[in-house]
Amino acid sequence: DAGVIQSPRHEVTEMGQEVTLRCKPISGHDYLFWYRQTMMRGLELLIYFNNNVPIDDSGMPEDRFSAKMPNASFSTLKIQPSEPRDSAVYFCASSFWGNQPQHFGDGTRLSIL
Amino acid sequence: EDQVTQSPEALRLQEGESSSLNCSYTVSGLRGLFWYRQDPGKGPEFLFTLYSAGEEKEKERLKATLTKKESFLHITAPKPEDSATYLCAVHNAGGTSYGKLTFGQGTILTVHP
Repeated sequence: DAGVIQSPRHEVTEMGQEVTLRCKPISGHDYLFWYRQTMMRGLELLIYFNNNVPIDDSGMPEDRFSAKMPNASFSTLKIQPSEPRDSAVYFCASSFWGNQPQHFGDGTRLSIL
Repeated sequence: EDQVTQSPEALRLQEGESSSLNCSYTVSGLRGLFWYRQDPGKGPEFLFTLYSAGEEKEKERLKATLTKKESFLHITAPKPEDSATYLCAVHNAGGTSYGKLTFGQGTILTVHP
């Protein structure tokens, strides 16, 4: 079975550029989550969707971050403009139901120079 | 606010030396506690879900237990391939963010041959 698919796996860009991260959840999963992982702060939830609708975006650090889920099989996380402090590993996860285990992709390692 | 504290931060074991990892949590109402394993460069991989105090789950050399305040991940006769970061997360029954997990900082386990 295909797991959660994220692209790109690595992204290196210069400060001020727009960055778009992509995620394809597991088919049939109704919940999709975006996380950020850093050494200092660990794994932080940024935003999550239920049936393509954003439920909680309280973890989105600032207006430079936005996320969309136009359909059940695709989501994007966009950073515009990017800053060096946005450098981290970004994970997407999905689950069948809110109380079910979340299954993670292998992440996008983002470096902002 | 939900809090999850894992200890120790790092643990070094010799192959075959059994030990336990701790996850202490504070939530208004526990809906579920999750254990994950994370290998370098990979996303967290789901291991166990525990829903109520007294519950236990086992998988190969791993056994997870749950009380009203903490969970333990017992590792029996570990092998070098058990080396990874182990993450604990809680799902709070309270509030409006159904599906939202709060993660601990993780325990880095290293098993030497």
